[in-house]
Amino acid sequence: SQTIHQWPATLVQPVGSPLSLECTVEGTSNPNLYWYRQAAGRGLQLLFYSVGIGQISSEVPQNLSASRPQDRQFILSSKKLLLSDSGFYLCAWSDRGGSPLHFGNGTRLTVT
Amino acid sequence: AQSVTQLDSQVPVFEEAPVELRCNYSSSVSVYLFWYVQYPNQGLQLLLKYLSGSTLVKGINGFEAEFNKSQTSFHLRKPSVHISDTAEYFCAVREYNNNDMRFGAGTRLTVKP
Repeated sequence: SQTIHQWPATLVQPVGSPLSLECTVEGTSNPNLYWYRQAAGRGLQLLFYSVGIGQISSEVPQNLSASRPQDRQFILSSKKLLLSDSGFYLCAWSDRGGSPLHFGNGTRLTVT
Repeated sequence: AQSVTQLDSQVPVFEEAPVELRCNYSSSVSVYLFWYVQYPNQGLQLLLKYLSGSTLVKGINGFEAEFNKSQTSFHLRKPSVHISDTAEYFCAVREYNNNDMRFGAGTRLTVKP
């Protein structure tokens, strides 16, 4: 069966520091991969999605970037964090077509 | 691009009462529709999905939803809720031949004893 791993679970970083969040998927090949952000009390904002290695679609211009160095690995990065980057970050994967997204357990990021 | 509107940000109900969480979507093409549930500090769990066929779909935990194409709605229902149903519920839409999925702002369901 397929599983998705996302880490760390919680992270506290100072303003201006770099960020790297990692997500890996097991048990499937060539999945679509996604990064969402959920601000406190708000819905999910799609940040990036990828349909293959090295293919990244950015939905919102911002302080973040994403990379997909391997088929089942998706990384969310920032060179310098802002206070507004605080939130709950969720990684997800899906197959093609009408397949639903399957989510990781999320990373709670607090920028201080 | 597709979009989703969840009409109620909060829905308080008493235990064993019925509940309906409303969702409307906007898209110029055919869509797939989903409902997810999120418990505190966790990821989202799929409740049910509509891909094609019967417009009434049944999911886990006794939930069901009905796709209404003319009203572009996909409302979630449960005939009798439990305390354990207290959570955040998200409606989502994905267009045919499109890789991204858009979510509504969520509805906070609170079940009171």
